[in-house]
Amino acid sequence: EVQLVESGGGLVQPGGSLRLSCAASGFTFSSYWMSWVRQAPGKGLEWVANIKQDGSEKYYVDSVKGRFTISRDNAKNSLYLQMNSLRAEDAAVYYCARNYVTTIGMFDYWGQGTLVTVSS
Amino acid sequence: EIVMTQSPATLSVSPGERATLSCRASQSVSSNLAWYQHKPGQAPRLLIYGASTRATGIPARFSGSGSGTEFTLTISSLQSEDFAVYYCQQYNNWPLTFGGGTKVEIK
Repeated sequence: EVQLVESGGGLVQPGGSLRLSCAASGFTFSSYWMSWVRQAPGKGLEWVANIKQDGSEKYYVDSVKGRFTISRDNAKNSLYLQMNSLRAEDAAVYYCARNYVTTIGMFDYWGQGTLVTVSS
Repeated sequence: EIVMTQSPATLSVSPGERATLSCRASQSVSSNLAWYQHKPGQAPRLLIYGASTRATGIPARFSGSGSGTEFTLTISSLQSEDFAVYYCQQYNNWPLTFGGGTKVEIK
């Protein structure tokens, strides 16, 4: 059974940093692109970033470029999101998602999310 | 950026009835369109991809149609477990974008 379990969310002040983690199991993690998708309170879903199987390619939504870094450790079956210079508008539930094997633009499995609150 | 617009925002339906959800893209996305179901506190679930292909394990009462800029998700006979928020998402262009969602609630 595919499982994605996020952790690392919490309360952070504006300008602060946070590192999210996603533990993957039930599939060959190193064979898939992986993504982070977020949902701000009362809002819809927003793709944030994704990373290729070997970490050689990474893409970001414009609003987080230069502030967020996606990474992975295939030996640990883990995905990460380093978030720096956090803003109020970054507050959201952050979901780890697996990209579909043949179509990397869609997501076939998701975690239950971790909540990030940005407030002073 | 391709803007995805879903309508209606909320759909009130009785169990057993048919629900029709719409999604419009600001420019053509061909058939590169997915639908997801999302319940509070749960992981979103892939329902449809390629505009009309059901994902693994998705019941036949869910169907998708459309291409280009206009898409529809139909739930033929709503079950209690189908009350949720539904999102469309285009994967034709970067950045990937989602619609604002349609909440299907019990009438």
